Amino acid sequence: TQLLEQSPQFLSIQEGENLTVYCNSSSVFSSLQWYRQEPGEGPVLLVTVVTGGEVKKLKRLTFQFGDARKDSSLHITAAQPGDTGLYLCAGVARSNDYKLSFGAGTTVTVRA
Amino acid sequence: EAQVTQNPRYLITVTGKKLTVTCSQNMNHEYMSWYRQDPGLGLRQIYYSMNVEVTDKGDVPEGYKVSRKEKRNFPLILESPSPNQTSLYFCASSMPRQRGAYEQYFGPGTRLTVT
Repeated sequence: TQLLEQSPQFLSIQEGENLTVYCNSSSVFSSLQWYRQEPGEGPVLLVTVVTGGEVKKLKRLTFQFGDARKDSSLHITAAQPGDTGLYLCAGVARSNDYKLSFGAGTTVTVRA
Repeated sequence: EAQVTQNPRYLITVTGKKLTVTCSQNMNHEYMSWYRQDPGLGLRQIYYSMNVEVTDKGDVPEGYKVSRKEKRNFPLILESPSPNQTSLYFCASSMPRQRGAYEQYFGPGTRLTVT
């Protein structure tokens, strides 16, 4: 059983559309991170959120940390083919600052 | 260039033949970690190390060993590999900042096949 549940598992959209990826848990986290991974490469960190209710923007990407620090979302506005990739959320448990748990990932495909 | 390197990138071996995957980082990071990635399961942490000579189990440590004798290196050892250890392995490093918020840098991955 995954500590972090991501949905949807797969997402295919047309260029210019918006999309949202969700990351949910029953556990409380000190922080949540979002990574993007491209084929044949390691994940690359996009953002870290640490405060409940926090919203961070990275160009067309908006990240939100739930008020209760159990969930997070990633919203992409006007998606482009370059946004294609595997998006992973990862949480640092409050009980152990050094253990990072990942969700299974959401594969996003943006068609030109 | 700041980076995490892993070797080998690809490895095919047979059951029971001991192997080591090396990991090295040049960023003077204190924290290093090993993950395996399997379809539908995401990344699962195998072992992590908070500093030299300090290691601890992650979520799936069975069948693996690690050591941290120096800050830059964190090898992953499979004493007796089995087919269920066929996977894509990633090493990562970071410098812990505020509580729980540390940016992990990942290596390029090692694809291991055990027959």
